[in-house]
Amino acid sequence: NAGVTQTPKFQVLKTGQSMTLQCAQDMNHNSMYWYRQDPGMGLRLIYYSASEGTTDKGEVPNGYNVSRLNKREFSLRLESAAPSQTSVYFCASRGGSAGRGTDTQYFGPGTRLTVL
Amino acid sequence: AQSVTQPDIHITVSEGASLELRCNYSYGATPYLFWYVQSPGQGLQLLLKYFSGDTLVQGIKGFEAEFKRSQSSFNLRKPSVHWSDAAEYFCAVGAGRNTPLVFGKGTRLSVIA
Repeated sequence: NAGVTQTPKFQVLKTGQSMTLQCAQDMNHNSMYWYRQDPGMGLRLIYYSASEGTTDKGEVPNGYNVSRLNKREFSLRLESAAPSQTSVYFCASRGGSAGRGTDTQYFGPGTRLTVL
Repeated sequence: AQSVTQPDIHITVSEGASLELRCNYSYGATPYLFWYVQSPGQGLQLLLKYFSGDTLVQGIKGFEAEFKRSQSSFNLRKPSVHWSDAAEYFCAVGAGRNTPLVFGKGTRLSVIA
């Protein structure tokens, strides 16, 4: 099992450019999440999908959109990148078919995004 | 809504010394509590979790944590720190099935010889 995979690992954009960060999990998890990590700020939730077909805003959704393409894949799109979106982005997944609160949340390796 | 506070931003310990990282949570019901570790340039890895039963839980890499309901705390401990333990540590609280975990801001651990 690969767990949670993310592409790309690194990306440099110019202000105003768009891009999509890809995330996939092979653990048959129901829930998937996108976080951003900035120095001193910890992990902040951008969007999440509690199950296939649903998405919800997290703490910092402005400037982002998401798509839960199927149970495996959850993408994050920046329509018009801004320097404030320079960050490390982590995708995570959690919860099998029983979906218990005790389920572990698994993280991908992250995407380092720089917006110039 | 739940929240997590990690009071210490950065801690430095000597190799072989004991370690305690503090975590306080706010949540009305019985929480699900987690500790994760992040090595430089890596994703987050689960160290241990608590949801019920024995309040002292054992994790990987020799870590343990104790849940104290009266203090709303879930502190992480290790009796003897190794240089490879230098990393950032995150405490998290969960409310229930398939809901997002809420993370603290993290504690960076440095280990000196």
